[in-house]
Amino acid sequence: DIQLTQSPSFLSASVGDRVTITCRASQGISSYLAWYQQKPGKAPKLLIYAASTLQSGVPSRFSGSGSGTEFTLTISSLQPEDFATYYCQQLNSYPFTFGPGTKVDIK
Amino acid sequence: QITLKESGPTLVKPTQTLTLTCTFSGFSLSTSGVGVGWIRQPPGKALEWLALIYWDDDKRYSPSLKSRLTITKDTSKNQVVLTMTNMDPVDTATYYCAHRWVEDIFDYWGQGTLVTVSS
Repeated sequence: DIQLTQSPSFLSASVGDRVTITCRASQGISSYLAWYQQKPGKAPKLLIYAASTLQSGVPSRFSGSGSGTEFTLTISSLQPEDFATYYCQQLNSYPFTFGPGTKVDIK
Repeated sequence: QITLKESGPTLVKPTQTLTLTCTFSGFSLSTSGVGVGWIRQPPGKALEWLALIYWDDDKRYSPSLKSRLTITKDTSKNQVVLTMTNMDPVDTATYYCAHRWVEDIFDYWGQGTLVTVSS
């Protein structure tokens, strides 16, 4: 299985901050990476796929980059509704594993 | 509009078999490229990919759980069923089904159903 790690695991930030989350894969996965946002008690929501393609309806303050083994999710200006947990998922090979998550909390 | 909803028991005993049904609308599992997957999340923990079934009945499983999982589809009923045998308390989790889109991403998710394994 391909293992994903995320850093940091927890992040405290203020509204308006620029936030960057990193996802690293145990082996190269080209651009087969997606990012999801999950709020407490809710299902995950797809934000980005193919490493950098913004899902329809997702605000442009979210962006993704990277390829191979290192990827980043950036929120350019954190909004109150962005406080949540973020997961990366690799789609290069089965099983399509998820990262351990990064919780973004209010400072 | 695509919607999915999971149903099944909320409580199962250890060693029992869990059967979960995902009932969906807004798409057909007979359409090329379509798939439905199952993902679970233990309380306070991360997401875990379990299984995926494609329109052509190709099925993929998490290797760590493959011996315990079976995924099937009923195209006429717009349902996908996941069975997991020999349930254990560590299988306590919210189980989600989701619509597979391009490159195997999940773009629509059900609300999830919490399954507790306890005697």
